[in-house]
Amino acid sequence: AQTVTQSQPEMSVQEAETVTLSCTYDTSESDYYLFWYKQPPSRQMILVIRQEAYKQQNATENRFSVNFQKAAKSFSLKISDSQLGDAAMYFCAYIDGDYKLSFGAGTTVTVRA
Amino acid sequence: GAVVSQHPSRVICKSGTSVKIECRSLDFQATTMFWYRQFPKKSLMLMATSNEGSKATYEQGVEKDKFLINHASLTLSTLTVTSAHPEDSSFYICSARPSQRGDEQYFGPGTRLTVT
Repeated sequence: AQTVTQSQPEMSVQEAETVTLSCTYDTSESDYYLFWYKQPPSRQMILVIRQEAYKQQNATENRFSVNFQKAAKSFSLKISDSQLGDAAMYFCAYIDGDYKLSFGAGTTVTVRA
Repeated sequence: GAVVSQHPSRVICKSGTSVKIECRSLDFQATTMFWYRQFPKKSLMLMATSNEGSKATYEQGVEKDKFLINHASLTLSTLTVTSAHPEDSSFYICSARPSQRGDEQYFGPGTRLTVT
């Protein structure tokens, strides 16, 4: 099983500021996908952003961007211009060849007004 | 598009009874569906992979006879918790992988099971 590590159980950010969530993973594969999911209090899992490992360019979705460092097996998420609606638990995830997702422990993001 | 539903959203059952949870892909076909369990403020733990027309594959430590999975069609998978006990109380989430695109999964809204 793949290992995905999120070392920050909680992060707090002021509204309109930027916060970065860290994620590292372990794999022997050269081609794979990585994801960040958001789980708000409703508990519906929402895909935030995805990164294909063979693409060197970092993925961006509006205010969300990643810093993908393949050699270091690092995949951090940056939330810019944080909004109150960004408050949620964020999970980093890796998908293997059987399409099974391995999730990190999650980071709870609190946005201060 | 890519909507997955789960039914029921909440269920309370008595210890020793069985409860069935349905997972449906509403606007796409899903050869594969996945079942997860999540405890409060914890991560999702994969329980099993449900494949249409074949037996489910279970993750290590998951009791096959307790968590029965059936994937009878390309849009429906069911999870039956048999002889439920209070320790089975949890949040159960399913996801569906579109048959035409393998690298994404779409999640259902989850089912909160409480066993009394």
